[in-house]
Amino acid sequence: NAGVTQTPKFQVLKTGQSMTLQCAQDMNHEYMSWYRQDPGMGLRLIHYSVGAGITDQGEVPNGYNVSRSTTEDFPLRLLSAAPSQTSVYFCASSYRDSGYGYTFGSGTRLTVV
Amino acid sequence: QQQVKQSPQSLIVQKGGISIINCAYENTAFDYFPWYQQFPGKGPALLIAIRPDVSEKKEGRFTISFNKSAKQFSLHIMDSQPGDSATYFCAPTGNTGFQKLVFGTGTRLLVSP
Repeated sequence: NAGVTQTPKFQVLKTGQSMTLQCAQDMNHEYMSWYRQDPGMGLRLIHYSVGAGITDQGEVPNGYNVSRSTTEDFPLRLLSAAPSQTSVYFCASSYRDSGYGYTFGSGTRLTVV
Repeated sequence: QQQVKQSPQSLIVQKGGISIINCAYENTAFDYFPWYQQFPGKGPALLIAIRPDVSEKKEGRFTISFNKSAKQFSLHIMDSQPGDSATYFCAPTGNTGFQKLVFGTGTRLLVSP
C-alpha cells in the first residue's frame, strides 16, 4: 500500500532513554518532515529534509536528531527522552511541487514517564 | 513569520446542515490552499485544495471558496453528516522551495445526528 508508514504506533519510555521513530514512504517524495501534535498547540515542525543527505531544523528541534540516507526513510531519534517530549508524532512527505499536498503517517503516540 | 488564523475553534452542526470553516493568511506568496481532515487517532489527510487562479472548487459535498484580495479561503461542507465529525486544518503553502507547513490551530467539527 502506497503511503507513509510509521513505527511503532505506541511507545512508553523512561526519562533519559533514547529511541528511534521510524518513517518510510514509497511515493518517491522529495520532501519529508516530522511534526509533533500536542493538545491546544496544533502541529509543530521538528525537522525536515528536502532530499537524501539534506536535513534542517524546524520550529521545535531541541532533543531530536534526524538523518536521511535514502529517499524513502527519515528516522527521528530522541537522544535522551524527557516528559516534555510526550506527544503524538507524525511523519509527512510530499513532492517538491507544492500542488500535491502532504501525505501523513498514522502517528506514533509517545509517553515519557 | 507566516501567520495562519483559522476560525471557529469548534463547531457543532446538525445533520444535514452546512459547516463553514474559515482560514486567513498573510503571505501573498502562497499558491496552494489545502484543507486537511483529521480523525481521532489518525494523521491529517488531504481533503480538498485550491489554486489561486480559481475562486471556487467543489468535490462532492466539500467546497473551497477562495478570496485572493481578502487573503482568505473557506471550507464549506454541505449536507453535513456525523461521519464528517473531525478536526479540520488549513495549511497554505507556496512553491518556492521547502514549505514549512504552517497549520491553522484547527477546527473541531461535531455533526449531531
